[in-house]
Amino acid sequence: AQSVTQLDSQVPVFEEAPVELRCNYSSSVSVYLFWYVQYPNQGLQLLLKYLSGSTLVKGINGFEAEFNKSQTSFHLRKPSVHISDTAEYFCAVSVVTGGGNKLTFGTGTQLKVEL
Amino acid sequence: EAGVTQFPSHSVIEKGQTVTLRCDPISGHDNLYWYRRVMGKEIKFLLHFVKESKQDESGMPNNRFLAERTGGTYSTLKVQPAELEDSGVYFCASSPPGRINYGYTFGSGTRLTVV
Repeated sequence: AQSVTQLDSQVPVFEEAPVELRCNYSSSVSVYLFWYVQYPNQGLQLLLKYLSGSTLVKGINGFEAEFNKSQTSFHLRKPSVHISDTAEYFCAVSVVTGGGNKLTFGTGTQLKVEL
Repeated sequence: EAGVTQFPSHSVIEKGQTVTLRCDPISGHDNLYWYRRVMGKEIKFLLHFVKESKQDESGMPNNRFLAERTGGTYSTLKVQPAELEDSGVYFCASSPPGRINYGYTFGSGTRLTVV
């Protein structure tokens, strides 16, 4: 079975400051990795995904994440946040084969950007 | 193209009553998923349809939950009878036929409160 850990339930940050949201996973098989974002009163939106290839993945809205296999991590970063980035962010994994594309999520990190 | 539509957006029912949630996936998306988030916890997989067939229902909590997908189009998730612990946000997602490369499109969710 797979599991995803997002250690930070809330991350406050000032506008234009950099931010890193941490994600660690556990799996005995190869996985794909995802970050989703949920803005208030909206559904989950895919930010970025790692399927294979370059370990640095760029997504929408200036976000990027780096896959580190040895540390089983997939941390999300943004060099300069904006008020509009205030949302809840979810890390998720899916097994490469045999999983039917089922996602296993972390508990989410609430990012609050302040002026 | 229209997104994944879920209704109702909110539902408040009494313990012991029946509730039916509906999901309209994106047209042409053979894969349809249901997930649930109980307050403060991770988003958890409930089940996966491929067209009208249940591909994986390993996440369904118990036999009070019944999911159907009529003609491979919209899907309903019925909870009968509802219990307090069924409260949470129920998300539906859909994806085209094929691999995870396409990603999911999530609906905005139905917030269910059982009192």
